[in-house]
Amino acid sequence: QIQLVQSGPELKKPGESVKISCKASGYTFTDYAMHWVKQAPGKGLKWMGWINTYTGKPTYADDFKGRFVFSLEASASTANLQISNLKNEDTATYFCARFPDYWGQGVMVTVSS
Amino acid sequence: DVVLTQTPVSLLISLGGQASISCRSSQSLVHSNGNTYLHWYLQKPGQSPQLLIYQVSNRFSGIPDRFSGSGSGTDFTLKISRVEPEDLGVYYCLQRTHNPYTFGAGTKLELK
Repeated sequence: QIQLVQSGPELKKPGESVKISCKASGYTFTDYAMHWVKQAPGKGLKWMGWINTYTGKPTYADDFKGRFVFSLEASASTANLQISNLKNEDTATYFCARFPDYWGQGVMVTVSS
Repeated sequence: DVVLTQTPVSLLISLGGQASISCRSSQSLVHSNGNTYLHWYLQKPGQSPQLLIYQVSNRFSGIPDRFSGSGSGTDFTLKISRVEPEDLGVYYCLQRTHNPYTFGAGTKLELK
């Protein structure tokens, strides 16, 4: 069955970096783009962008240009999201998703001094 | 960016009752290829969103026929009939016709 399994929760300080992963199984990884979605605590869903899993080319929504990097380990069917220079407002759950149908379980990233 | 306006913000429904959620778009969601990429999700507490309806009116695998989607252009509706306890949570619409993709703000379904 199709699954997207994400890495575990992260606690970071402002200014640090974090890298979260999303391992896909049950389908051909390079056949579908991988999208990333942010959900701040108690808030709605915000699309961050996507990565072409065949070419590796990322596309970022405007609010996520600069400190956010999408990458792949295609041989491991894994997509990664790295956030640098973390800010308090990056505290959120981050989902990977094979739109429109399959989502990862989400990774809670907490940024606190 | 396309703005999706979901109403109501919250719904109080009795078990066995019917719920209707509206999602209105600031511009037409008909893609140049003729498809309309408007989807509906349910997010239960502590879980990731689960796909209910894709492309306006197609039920995803395993979704009961109590859930139905309709609409066209800029106006879309999700109907839930015979509400059951497992239907509780926040419902979101998502449009993937225009970049950037955008979500509605959500509708919380609670039991009366």
